Amino acid sequence: DQQVKQNSPSLSVQEGRISILNCDYTNSMFDYFLWYKKYPAEGPTFLISISSIKDKNEDGRFTVFLNKSAKHLSLHIVPSQPGDSAVYFCAAPTPGSARQLTFGSGTQLTVLP
Amino acid sequence: DAGVIQSPRHEVTEMGQEVTLRCKPISGHNSLFWYRQTMMRGLELLIYFNNNVPIDDSGMPEDRFSAKMPNASFSTLKIQPSEPRDSAVYFCASSLMGDTEAFFGQGTRLTVV
Repeated sequence: DQQVKQNSPSLSVQEGRISILNCDYTNSMFDYFLWYKKYPAEGPTFLISISSIKDKNEDGRFTVFLNKSAKHLSLHIVPSQPGDSAVYFCAAPTPGSARQLTFGSGTQLTVLP
Repeated sequence: DAGVIQSPRHEVTEMGQEVTLRCKPISGHNSLFWYRQTMMRGLELLIYFNNNVPIDDSGMPEDRFSAKMPNASFSTLKIQPSEPRDSAVYFCASSLMGDTEAFFGQGTRLTVV
């Protein structure tokens, strides 16, 4: 049972345009969400997060939007740069004290120069 | 801080052999996670420790897998005997207990032939 889903395995965008990566979740108890970025041969690195009490969080070129009623979040990258090409994972910590992360399957973003 | 350190980076072994993966978490972090990444299942949590104590090993696929954390600065994941289907990238991550952001190592790419 996948509690965090990323239905698009890949996305290609032109440099300078907006990249939108989507994530859906099924567990209404999730109260925090994170996006990780992963380059080949490296571990995932934290990118940006959002608490369920917010519907938007912005950090430079990266903005995450949360729609709780739809159980959907999205990561916007504007403007996209070739260095943004990576796999992006959506993740949510389990409710309670444990807080281990459940990851989506990832979306490979390719930004074309 | 050097971050989470995993060794080896790459491991090629023959089926039936014992494999030991090693992890040194970030100093001061008291939660440690072992993840496995495969094409089929994405990033899946195998086991995690809080204060060196295994909390949840329900993600460990079989009894052939075992993990230990003898002290706060070292953990091992052992596979005995290894099988070709164990081939994957294994990540170790650490965090402050209760924190949602986990920091990942660079991973160990295991190939069992």
